Amino acid sequence: NAGVMQNPRHLVRRRGQEARLRCSPMKGHSHVYWYRQLPEEGLKFMVYLQKENIIDESGMPKERFSAEFPKEGPSILRIQQVVRGDSAAYFCASSPDRLTSGANVLTFGAGSRLTVL
Amino acid sequence: EDKVVQSPLSLVVHEGDTVTLNCSYEVTNFRSLLWYKQEKKAPTFLFMLTSSGIEKKSGRLSSILDKKELFSILNITATQTGDSAVYLCAVEGAGSYQLTFGKGTKLSVIP
Repeated sequence: NAGVMQNPRHLVRRRGQEARLRCSPMKGHSHVYWYRQLPEEGLKFMVYLQKENIIDESGMPKERFSAEFPKEGPSILRIQQVVRGDSAAYFCASSPDRLTSGANVLTFGAGSRLTVL
Repeated sequence: EDKVVQSPLSLVVHEGDTVTLNCSYEVTNFRSLLWYKQEKKAPTFLFMLTSSGIEKKSGRLSSILDKKELFSILNITATQTGDSAVYLCAVEGAGSYQLTFGKGTKLSVIP
């Protein structure tokens, strides 16, 4: 069981470029969450997705950020026209169907660290 | 807005010491409180607490929840250098898909 796989682990972009972060959930998990961790801050919720559906994106900035979880392939967090303030660690987490598990225990990936120059 | 405050923010102890980490929270329609351990990689799940007064235990780690006073503690006995990490506390409200995290407590255990 490979757990939650994120790539790239480290990504460097210049201001104005695009960043794409990928997440493959744990086997058997159908729910994906993205969290952002700024330096000296706690993890902040960004978005919750199921296959082909965005369930809750209330934590996503209104501009430049988007997320998807297609029928096939990993979930992708996309940041367009990056700015220095986007520099952070982006963590993906997954969970099984809540109706089955009855709880929201998330399994986290190792994170993708984005640095914007 | 849901809120989690952890204290202390950092702590340095010697191997063998016992430590208590604190987590106080405000959440609409409390559902659960979770503790995670974060080393230089993925946060790993430690405990989920839903009921007051029932201690959860795993080896040298234990945790308890007080829903009346809105706090939880995480105890680590006989600390080891491998316990050095950031310990994260998070809460979940009923009907929400989001976990609200505190800033964490950075624990350093020195030999």
